[in-house]
Amino acid sequence: AQSVSQHNHHVILSEAASLELGCNYSYGGTVNLFWYVQYPGQHLQLLLKYFSGDPLVKGIKGFEAEFIKSKFSFNLRKPSVQWSDTAEYFCAVNAAGNNRKLIWGLGTSLAVNP
Amino acid sequence: DTGVSQDPRHKITKRGQNVTFRCDPISEHNRLYWYRQTLGQGPEFLTYFQNEAQLEKSRLLSDRFSAERPKGSFSTLEIQRTEQGDSAMYLCASSFREGPDTQYFGPGTRLTVL
Repeated sequence: AQSVSQHNHHVILSEAASLELGCNYSYGGTVNLFWYVQYPGQHLQLLLKYFSGDPLVKGIKGFEAEFIKSKFSFNLRKPSVQWSDTAEYFCAVNAAGNNRKLIWGLGTSLAVNP
Repeated sequence: DTGVSQDPRHKITKRGQNVTFRCDPISEHNRLYWYRQTLGQGPEFLTYFQNEAQLEKSRLLSDRFSAERPKGSFSTLEIQRTEQGDSAMYLCASSFREGPDTQYFGPGTRLTVL
């Protein structure tokens, strides 16, 4: 069965610090990979996605993620966080092809101190 | 606003009552998904539709849960004889069928069962 593991459940950073959130998945086939963000009081929004091609993908608000197939990983990065990045971050996976349901990690709560 | 909408946003009910939630997807999207999210967890897949056909149901969806999408547009999720364990955020998402799809989420319906 597919599963997604996010290594950090709670992260606290100061503004301008660099961010890396880990995501590993368990699935033997081809996958589509996603990072979603949920700002306080708001609904889930797509941050970035990987379907195929260049394994380094860039998303909104300066975020990027790198797909490393050999490590089954899709880590999220941002070189310099801002207070407005305080949010819950979710990694999700679905199997490429007809099975469209998303399998989610538990989420990482990021707090950025000004 | 042309995003996914859900109604109601909050629902408080007593144990044993029936509740129904509605989701209106983005207009050109023909896939519609329901997820459930409890505190501290990532969303869990419940079911999805392609047009009016319900193509997959999770084992989480007990016989007290039923979902419909009668005309391939809006969808309803009904929970009969609610239990306290049903308290959660119920999320709806939609996507467009062509190619790898990205799911766009609504604001959710928060259900509290007393």
